[in-house]
Amino acid sequence: EVILEESGGDWVQPGRSLRLSCTTSGFNIADYAMSWFRQTPGKGLEWVGFIRSRGYGGTTENAASVKGRFTISRDESKSIVYLEMKSLKSEDTGVYYCTRDLPAGDVWSGYTDYWGPGTQVSVSS
Amino acid sequence: DIQMTQSPSSLSASVGDRVTITCQASHDIGNSLNWYQVKPGKAPKFLIYDVNNLRPGVPLRFSGSGSGTDFTLTISSLQPEDIATYYCLQYDPLPPTFGQGTKLEIK
Repeated sequence: EVILEESGGDWVQPGRSLRLSCTTSGFNIADYAMSWFRQTPGKGLEWVGFIRSRGYGGTTENAASVKGRFTISRDESKSIVYLEMKSLKSEDTGVYYCTRDLPAGDVWSGYTDYWGPGTQVSVSS
Repeated sequence: DIQMTQSPSSLSASVGDRVTITCQASHDIGNSLNWYQVKPGKAPKFLIYDVNNLRPGVPLRFSGSGSGTDFTLTISSLQPEDIATYYCLQYDPLPPTFGQGTKLEIK
C-alpha cells in the first residue's frame, strides 16, 4: 500500500526557516518524481516544486514564488522527501502536500496519483 | 507562465442538475489539463487527467472535454457528495498553474 505523510509544519515568524518531511512507504521514491503543493488562503492551490526520479537525474524545479528560498531533496535510504523552506513570508502560510508523480523524463507528468494528508505551516509575527 | 482562467468562481445547483465548469488557458496547452476536487480539511482528489481520462474510482457522472485553450468539467447529475471546490491544472509547460477554483454548493 502506498502511503505518504507530511510532517514538520509549525507556526514560525517571518524570516525563519522550517523543514517539512514527506515520509513514504509502499514504493521506491527513487523511481518516481515527487512534488510539493500548497493550499493558501490567498491563492488556492499552488504548485511549489518537484524532484525528478533518479533515472532522470533527481534534479529539481521550483515555482518562481519560492525559488532561492525553498529546496526539495530526498533521502532514498529513509524513503523521505524534504522541503527546506528559508526566509519564510506570511504569504507562505498554508497547508503543504507532497505527492507521488509518475516520472516523465525532463518534464513533469502532472499525474499525481497519491497525496499525503497535508501539514499546516503558519508564518506570522 | 500559462494563466488559467476558471469560471464560475462559485456555483449553486440542485441535486440531479447538470453542472459545467470551464477553464481557459492563456496559450495552447494541447491536452495537458487535469481536474482536482478539494473538500475542506482533506487532500485534493485527482479526478481527471489529460482532459478527459477519469482516474480509477471516479464516478462516471464526471467527464472532461476540450483541447488547446478551452476546457470543461461536467457533472452529469449532481450528487450531495460532489459538494467541493474544483480546480483545473495545466502541467505542460512548466510551471504548472491552477485555475482559481470553483466552489460548488447545493441549492
